[in-house]
Amino acid sequence: SQQGEEDPQALSIQEGENATMNCSYKTSINNLQWYRQNSGRGLVHLILIRSNEREKHSGRLRVTLDTSKKSSSLLITASRAADTASYFCATVNTGRRALTFGSGTRLQVQP
Amino acid sequence: NAGVTQTPKFQVLKTGQSMTLQCAQDMNHEYMSWYRQDPGMGLRLIHYSVGAGITDQGEVPNGYNVSRSTTEDFPLRLLSAAPSQTSVYFCASSYVSKREKTGELFFGEGSRLTVL
Repeated sequence: SQQGEEDPQALSIQEGENATMNCSYKTSINNLQWYRQNSGRGLVHLILIRSNEREKHSGRLRVTLDTSKKSSSLLITASRAADTASYFCATVNTGRRALTFGSGTRLQVQP
Repeated sequence: NAGVTQTPKFQVLKTGQSMTLQCAQDMNHEYMSWYRQDPGMGLRLIHYSVGAGITDQGEVPNGYNVSRSTTEDFPLRLLSAAPSQTSVYFCASSYVSKREKTGELFFGEGSRLTVL
């Protein structure tokens, strides 16, 4: 079974609005990562947050991590049409090295 | 610096045929992995390796074999193709550290496999 589950499965917003995606996971983690996938392409790494961190920023991206609730959120501020893509969270579980992925959120940003 | 290179990009097989998907990286990454992605689903881990000579199973290893004889290469072998193996396959690599365990993954562009 997959470790992470994203919510919502699909999100449609207008350009300029903020987009929030959530990820829940099941077991203790070493780190949690967010990836983006444009249609028909490979995944691209966005941001990594360690288990002892609570918040991290990168440009228009803000990631939070709540290890007590086993959840993370990705916020994209001032979205653009070019942000249209699928977004995945992935976890590195404690004691393991493999990354396991959730099923993703499909984001559509309308111009 | 090519990153992660996968070949072939497209392949059609008949049930029962075997083939190898190639993956090579030029970043000297210790960690390499294979995922499959099916419509409406995320990526499911097939096999991974944390260094030459070391491999381990992921979530869906049945029907696939891997080996890691060099740091650069991590081929995925389909032993006897089945229609259920129709999918998009991604190879990814990463550095390994004491702090991160496994860091950010660098992905290839994918290999689209159809089994008839």
